[in-house]
This record gives sequence, C-alpha cells and structure tokens, in this order.
Amino acid sequence: ETGVTQTPRHLVMGMTNKKSLKCEQHLGHNAMYWYKQSAKKPLELMFVYNFKEQTENNSVPSRFSPECPNSSHLFLHLHTLQPEDSALYLCASSQVGIGNTIYFGEGSWLTVV
Amino acid sequence: QKEVEQNSGPLSVPEGAIASLNCTYSDRVSQSFFWYRQYSGKSPELIMSIYSNGDKEDGRFTAQLNKASQYVSLLIRDSQPSDSATYLCAVVGSSNTGKLIFGQGTTLQVKP
Repeated sequence: ETGVTQTPRHLVMGMTNKKSLKCEQHLGHNAMYWYKQSAKKPLELMFVYNFKEQTENNSVPSRFSPECPNSSHLFLHLHTLQPEDSALYLCASSQVGIGNTIYFGEGSWLTVV
Repeated sequence: QKEVEQNSGPLSVPEGAIASLNCTYSDRVSQSFFWYRQYSGKSPELIMSIYSNGDKEDGRFTAQLNKASQYVSLLIRDSQPSDSATYLCAVVGSSNTGKLIFGQGTTLQVKP
C-alpha cells in the first residue's frame, strides 16, 4: 500500500468507447503524474500536475485528456484509443521540493480492442 | 543519447552473490537519483534514493553516486531469488517540475 490508489485495475475498451482512469493519493503531496509503460519500453511520462496546474504534457495525443480537480485526485479520460495504446498506466504522486520521491499506484492495465 | 541509460540485461547472479546494477545519465545538473524495483505485472516500488556523492547503505542495498562521472549504481549483497525483478534507475531533471526520467531497467535473475 503506497498511498496512491488507482481504479480500475483492469480495463478493456473498444476503439470507439469513452472511459476514464481514476487516481487518488492520500499522502498530502502537491504533484501528481501519469506515466505509461509499454512492453520493453522505459516508463514514459505523460502529464505532470503541480498544485492542480498542468506543468508538463509530453506530446501526448489528444485522445488522452487529463483532469486534476484538486491536489489529491487525478483522472485520465480516454476517447477513441488505438490498439497500440494498450499498456500499463501508472499514476504517481510526490512532494516537489522535498527530495521529490515519487510513489506509484498499482497501475491500470488497459487493453484496447 | 538517452537521458538515463541502463543495460537491459538480463543480469544473472547465483544466490548469495553481489549483484551490481549500473546507470548513467546525461543531465549534469541532476540532483536527485532513485532506484525502483518492479516485479513482473506490478508497479515500481522505491528501494533507495541518493542525493550526494558517495555511498548510501540500507540493509542489503547500497546506492553509489558519482556526479562527476554522471554515474549511479546499486549493489545488492547476499542476493536472493526474491530479488529477481527489473530495477529501474530514475533521475530528476533540472527543471522544478519534479519530472522523473526513467531508464529502461535492468532485469536481474538470481538463481538458487
């Protein structure tokens, strides 16, 4: 238990579906992140939010839409995804400025069919 | 040049041996360095963080940092089969966003 909770843990969706991934952190951190992990590739940073403001978008396609309503919650809205978007999506949080140790959630396994 | 480089392995060591995992990074002003362990199908979990040159020990794990050579390593003493996993090196970049850049990971296999 790292204090970062992700739901759902597994998701199968069609290419025309709309779904959302949810993340909640109970650590009092001020930054939250979405990472993507595909087979045999390094973890790819997708989005960074500091104090609810998006500070980084790593050229992520618009079919991925993040939302951060407050410092404890982060969503990733998914729309018209492609099969190559199938991957493990990891949410993480940290306290920027104090070592910035990042703690990950358990991840959401996404399969696009 | 990749920002954080690791040998993907697999690195195979016998049980009880020392496993040595290496990582180099390209951003000279990086200040924070981390080692994560990731079991197959699981999310990464933090093992060690290191911020200053030299060695930092925690149980069977020792992290070593050499900023002049832009090199960070992880030693695992008395390796156990349960240490078999992928080890990810991560570096905080020079910006203040807290952006953590990961290497591709080294797969460690500890054989009984």
